[in-house]
Amino acid sequence: EAQVTQNPRYLITVTGKKLTVTCSQNMNHEYMSWYRQDPGLGLRQIYYSMNVEVTDKGDVPEGYKVSRKEKRNFPLILESPSPNQTSLYFCASSYSGPSNQPQHFGDGTRLSIL
Amino acid sequence: DQQVKQNSPSLSVQEGRISILNCDYTNSMFDYFLWYKKYPAEGPTFLISISSIKDKNEDGRFTVFLNKSAKHLSLHIVPSQPGDSAVYFCAASAQAGANSKLTFGKGITLSVRP
Repeated sequence: EAQVTQNPRYLITVTGKKLTVTCSQNMNHEYMSWYRQDPGLGLRQIYYSMNVEVTDKGDVPEGYKVSRKEKRNFPLILESPSPNQTSLYFCASSYSGPSNQPQHFGDGTRLSIL
Repeated sequence: DQQVKQNSPSLSVQEGRISILNCDYTNSMFDYFLWYKKYPAEGPTFLISISSIKDKNEDGRFTVFLNKSAKHLSLHIVPSQPGDSAVYFCAASAQAGANSKLTFGKGITLSVRP
């Protein structure tokens, strides 16, 4: 089954404790992206990757890091999480960039930073 | 500056009637538009898209209309069904290139009353 898998689905942690949210897709997609969803703000793009070893900032990259060492994986790293990063996070992928392709989304990761 | 605007946060319609969800954009470089549907505790799922070379695209009960001069698009759902109750996001992107990003609106919560 074609899917985008995120882990963990839920996480409560404390300020400053490094965490990684994993994302994996099994569709051989080149393009992957991370979004956060906040009430009243919709979905905002954090980082995206056009291919292996190619990443770029989205609209809200501050406080986040990503890496793309393999085509299927695109982890989101919070080196020193803060309460303003409490949010619902989604990973997405598509064959090529979003200019002509819909993206497939994971089911989300709800992070609470205390 | 919000480039994709969904100004109505919610819409309620009777089952069987038409639902019209509106979206406005400000960036004249946008040339590919999508609608995503999102149920609680799930990731967004792709619904329908339209390229700027068209002004209408249909898929079953769903039709998207694009008015480029007004920088406006709308999603029509006919007939509306209770299972259509969800949050609907409008999204837009520009031609593929170095900055291949997808910009979302804040979303509209549609409620279809039985």
